[in-house]
Amino acid sequence: AQSVTQLDSQVPVFEEAPVELRCNYSSSVSVYLFWYVQYPNQGLQLLLKYLSGSTLVESINGFEAEFNKSQTSFHLRKPSVHISDTAEYFCAVTRYSSASKIIFGSGTRLSIRP
Amino acid sequence: EAGVTQSPTHLIKTRGQQATLRCSPISGHTSVYWYQQALGLGLQFLLWYDEGEERNRGNFPPRFSGRQFPNYSSELNVNALELEDSALYLCASSSTGAGNTIYFGEGSWLTVV
Repeated sequence: AQSVTQLDSQVPVFEEAPVELRCNYSSSVSVYLFWYVQYPNQGLQLLLKYLSGSTLVESINGFEAEFNKSQTSFHLRKPSVHISDTAEYFCAVTRYSSASKIIFGSGTRLSIRP
Repeated sequence: EAGVTQSPTHLIKTRGQQATLRCSPISGHTSVYWYQQALGLGLQFLLWYDEGEERNRGNFPPRFSGRQFPNYSSELNVNALELEDSALYLCASSSTGAGNTIYFGEGSWLTVV
C-alpha cells in the first residue's frame, strides 16, 4: 500500500523568501504524485502533478516539485513566496498503471510573514 | 462547466442521529471519492466509487457508508453520529483511469453536538 509523509506540519517564512515543503512517499510499485493546495475556507485545488517524463514539474504560479525516485521524495519549492501563497499544501500519491485511490499526506500549513 | 458540487454546506446534528451528504461530480466523471478532513488530522480517505461500484474504502467503521447513483452522483451516510465525526467532508471526482486529476468540491461541514 502507498503512504505519504509530510514532514512539516507548519512552515513559517517571510515574504519573498524561498520555501521548500517536504514530501516523502512509500510504495512497492510505481506511483503518480500530486500537490494540492487548500486556501482558507476553500476546497482543494491541484497545484501540479508528476505522471512521467521530466522529473521537474512546474505550476503556473511559480511552484515546482522534483520527483526523486531514489529518495522517494516529491518536495515542493518556490524561490520567492507571496502573502497570497498562505494556504495548506497536501502531497498525494496514487498507484501507477491502474485506477486507484489517492492517498494524501497530513498537510503542511504555509504561513507567510510580511 | 460546473465543478463538483456538494450539499448541504453546513449540517448540525446531535449525537446518535444520521447524516446524509450529497455530491454531484463534474459532468463526464465517473469516479467519486469521499474524504474526511477533521481538525488536525489531514485528509482521511473514506470511500471511492466508480461506475456505480464501491472500489475501495478507508479505515472507517461500517456506520460510514455511501452509494453512487446511475447519474454518478453520490451520497455519504453516517449513522449513529459521534462527536468525533465533526469534520469537513470533501467529495472529489475524476474520470476513470490512473493518474487522472481529481477535482474537489467545497465540502460539507458536519457538526455533531
